[in-house]
Amino acid sequence: AQSVSQHNHHVILSEAASLELGCNYSYGGTVNLFWYVQYPGQHLQLLLKYFSGDPLVKGIKGFEAEFIKSKFSFNLRKPSVQWSDTAEYFCAVDSGSARQLTFGSGTQLTVLP
Amino acid sequence: SQTIHQWPATLVQPVGSPLSLECTVEGTSNPNLYWYRQAAGRGLQLLFYSVGIGQISSEVPQNLSASRPQDRQFILSSKKLLLSDSGFYLCAWRQGAHGPYFGPGTRLTVT
Repeated sequence: AQSVSQHNHHVILSEAASLELGCNYSYGGTVNLFWYVQYPGQHLQLLLKYFSGDPLVKGIKGFEAEFIKSKFSFNLRKPSVQWSDTAEYFCAVDSGSARQLTFGSGTQLTVLP
Repeated sequence: SQTIHQWPATLVQPVGSPLSLECTVEGTSNPNLYWYRQAAGRGLQLLFYSVGIGQISSEVPQNLSASRPQDRQFILSSKKLLLSDSGFYLCAWRQGAHGPYFGPGTRLTVT
């Protein structure tokens, strides 16, 4: 079965620090990859997704992610975080006939002002 | 543009009572629809998905069920709620390269 690992459960950074959140998946076939963000009290929002092509994907709010097939990884990055980036971040992979998502357990990011 | 609605936003129900959560999507046709549950401190667990009217697939055996009576309507039900059914229920839609996009969710507390 498909699985997704997010090894950082809680990350604390100061404003302007660089961010990298790890995501590894287990499926060896063709996959689509996603990062979602959930701000406090809000619903899940799609940050970015990778289907094919350039493995470096740019998303909203200055986030980007790099797909490295040989490492089964799709890490999320941002060069300079802001206090408003405080949120929970979820990595997901799709598979199956309905392209249903399998999610990682999430990473809580806290940015200190 | 496409939008997704869920209601109610919050619900408190006693153990043993029935449940009906509704999800509707606007602005698209024949989407794939999904129900997820999010427990505190954990990721999202896929419960059901549907690729068309009347077509439901279950990922996790439990006392919940789902139905899709119309193209853009997805309902999550239970005949008798358990304490373990408490959680945050999210509906999502997807069509081709669009999405998946999630609704605002329903916070269910079973007492």
